Formats: sequence, C-alpha cells, structure tokens
Amino acid sequence: DTAVSQTPKYLVTQMGNDKSIKCEQNLGHDTMYWYKQDSKKFLKIMFSYNNKELIINETVPNRFSPKSPDKAHLNLHINSLELGDSAVYFCASSQGTGYGQYFGPGTRLTVT
Amino acid sequence: EDQVTQSPEALRLQEGESSSLNCSYTVSGLRGLFWYRQDPGKGPEFLFTLYSAGEEKEKERLKATLTKKESFLHITAPKPEDSATYLCAAPYSGAGSYQLTFGKGTKLSVIP
Repeated sequence: DTAVSQTPKYLVTQMGNDKSIKCEQNLGHDTMYWYKQDSKKFLKIMFSYNNKELIINETVPNRFSPKSPDKAHLNLHINSLELGDSAVYFCASSQGTGYGQYFGPGTRLTVT
Repeated sequence: EDQVTQSPEALRLQEGESSSLNCSYTVSGLRGLFWYRQDPGKGPEFLFTLYSAGEEKEKERLKATLTKKESFLHITAPKPEDSATYLCAAPYSGAGSYQLTFGKGTKLSVIP
C-alpha cells in the first residue's frame, strides 16, 4: 500500500487557470506538508498543517491555499496560475515534530 | 537565518570506493538533523534522524554522524544502486515549528 499518494502525477495547464492537487496519507500521521521543488531541484517548504495549526511559509503567494477535509488528506489549491508556478510539488506527512517526514511521489505542474 | 549547506554538489565514485558527504548547519537550537535519499522522478525517502552530537546511525552501507556544527553521511563500499541525490534537512528554529529547511543536496554517482 502506498503510504503517501498524490494525484495527478502530471498536470499541464494554462496561465490564469485554477487547479488542485490531492494528497492522502494512510500512515495515521497528525501532520502534513506541501513542498515545492524547483528546476534546480531545491526543495522548499510551503505549508505545514495539523488539526490545530496551519503554518504558512512567508514566501508563499496567497494564490496557494491548503485545504484539509480530514486528518488523512491535505489538498493544494492554486488560483490564477503563473509561469513561475511550474515545478514539482510534494506532499509529505509525519508523526510530529522531530520525526522523519514521508513524501509522496510528486506532482509535476507545467504552466504554459 | 537558518541555513543548511551540503558539499560537494556532486560526487562520482567507483564501485567500492568509500567516501563521505557533508552537511553543515546554522540552525540554532537544533531539534533533529534529517537525511533523505531522492531518486530521479521520485519523492525523497527518509533515511535517518540524528538528535545530538556524537550520535551515529547506520543502514546497510550508509552511516550518518552528527557534531555540533555538521553531519556526515559515510558511504562504505558503495554500489551503483546507491546512486541518488542525498539531502539533509533541519527544522526551522522556533518553538512548535514542524517545517524543515533542506540543503541543495549531493548528487552521488557510483560507477561500476
């Protein structure tokens, strides 16, 4: 069974569109994350979320918003997509702070 | 500012040629130093967490060590299947922060 899954794996869309990426974890973890990996392979945190607290990295545009319907899911919604949003987006989860994070397979977003 | 710096950026080894990867950090009040492996087109795979200076952890041909300022990932007698990008990360300073800051990684190539 896949521990952290994401859909879709690839997403190609035009500038100005709104899109969502879904993430699910079956590890029973309390905390989930979204990361962006740019073309230089640099991995940067966007959000962390548990049922008590949402922490937003200050560099993330407010066009990006995480939505969590329940503890096992953290979806990423992106409004008004821009060319610079093209990247690979990873979802991850962990048991809590100080524990290793388990990553999904990634979603490659291409904005044309 | 919290920083994690990895060296070298790339490392090419002959099969069986042992070496070490370096990760230096300036995160104050370190609450764990994490090592990950990332294969092309996949999400990072959690390897180790180290919490205090002097701690060591091993997995197959990999051994991670931690001092007060840096961590090393030692690779003993590597095989071609050890080829990957190795990432280290540390939680951001500040109480309650779940968010990791990652280094840019070391791309390891093991030649048969």
